[in-house]
Amino acid sequence: AQKVTQAQTEISVVEKEDVTLDCVYETRDTTYYLFWYKQPPSGELVFLIRRNSFDEQNEISGRYSWNFQKSTSSFNFTITASQVVDSAVYFCALSEAGTGGFKTIFGAGTRLFVKA
Amino acid sequence: DADVTQTPRNRITKTGKRIMLECSQTKGHDRMYWYRQDPGLGLRLIYYSFDVKDINKGEISDGYSVSRQAQAKFSLSLESAIPNQTALYFCATSLTGQKAGELFFGEGSRLTVL
Repeated sequence: AQKVTQAQTEISVVEKEDVTLDCVYETRDTTYYLFWYKQPPSGELVFLIRRNSFDEQNEISGRYSWNFQKSTSSFNFTITASQVVDSAVYFCALSEAGTGGFKTIFGAGTRLFVKA
Repeated sequence: DADVTQTPRNRITKTGKRIMLECSQTKGHDRMYWYRQDPGLGLRLIYYSFDVKDINKGEISDGYSVSRQAQAKFSLSLESAIPNQTALYFCATSLTGQKAGELFFGEGSRLTVL
């Protein structure tokens, strides 16, 4: 069965600090997709990244970077030089290809507070 | 205008009432989903649909039903609402193939059951 665990419920940092959000997943499929979504205080859900299980290359997008390690079933998200606008709830998610990629399961989310 | 539109955005109702949340999309996606968000629990999948003839239960389908009236429309019904169905509900769509699984969300419908 698929499962996503985000052990950090809330994180509080001061602006310009780096912060890493942890995500650990469980799946029996060899082909799967991992995602991160952002939910700012306004409530909408914003897609950040999609990674398939065959691509362990880390990715950097501006101040955001993602570290995917199949050996530890982790897909961690780092924000470098955090800003107040990064304050949001961040969700890690998993979609198994065995379900045709239909069923995406989310972690409980990590609420990030960035203080000025 | 939003690509994925949910109505109503906010609703307060009483225990035992029937409620319908509607979702329509202009993205042309085949796949549609209903999720429920509760504090500390993330988003949990209620139902999902591959196309108008395909309806599947998600993690927490009890107490809910859905209807896929057309490719663009996917409605969620609570036949007899109860207080623990108070939550924020999201409709989402996704593509198939290479971009399968990437979800496009509506703005959410906040439901309060008294």
